[in-house]
Amino acid sequence: NAGVTQTPKFRVLKTGQSMTLLCAQDMNHEYMYWYRQDPGMGLRLIHYSVGEGTTAKGEVPDGYNVSRLKKQNFLLGLESAAPSQTSVYFCASSYSGTHGELFFGEGSRLTVL
Amino acid sequence: GDSVTQMEGPVTLSEEAFLTINCTYTATGYPSLFWYVQYPGEGLQLLLKATKADDKGSNKGFEATYRKETTSFHLEKGSVQVSDSAVYFCALTNYGGSQGNLIFGKGTKLSVKP
Repeated sequence: NAGVTQTPKFRVLKTGQSMTLLCAQDMNHEYMYWYRQDPGMGLRLIHYSVGEGTTAKGEVPDGYNVSRLKKQNFLLGLESAAPSQTSVYFCASSYSGTHGELFFGEGSRLTVL
Repeated sequence: GDSVTQMEGPVTLSEEAFLTINCTYTATGYPSLFWYVQYPGEGLQLLLKATKADDKGSNKGFEATYRKETTSFHLEKGSVQVSDSAVYFCALTNYGGSQGNLIFGKGTKLSVKP
């Protein structure tokens, strides 16, 4: 009963390094989302996808790229990490784009030095 | 644009106390409203929801009523437990908005002392 799984759970990067966060869901959901959570800011949407092969920008997309090559996976990439990208990243998925419940992963804590 | 405002925390209560966390929203149209809870070290999980005006969502002793006239969705619980200690997020999603994206408030941290 996995639900939404994120890897890795923790990562430390140096400024300028690149990395990819992987999100996998086993619920056959069409919609997937990447959020970042920062103290006092709540959750902010980075990018989202409404189906395999599609992606779109959210509220704070700069410095991030995403891909959805397979329906069950949604990848978040940082090409050149910056200290401002230190955050906790959450992936979520949803069956429906309207009034649907989002299912969240456990989060990935990223520190950029 | 659409937005959610919830009361600042942290909130510290004694066990069995009454809880209210205020949430108001700004949105066009007819949003659905949610409360999500985040326990320490975990992701968010849905606590309750309401999809139209005057609906009451309830779960695990928590309740919230969708009040369109006051654009509010306050979370209440009659008797909190230590296990309710968590961060609570009010959120909305608006049909025709960003493809089902949730717009979150900043979260309210609740600590319940024995």
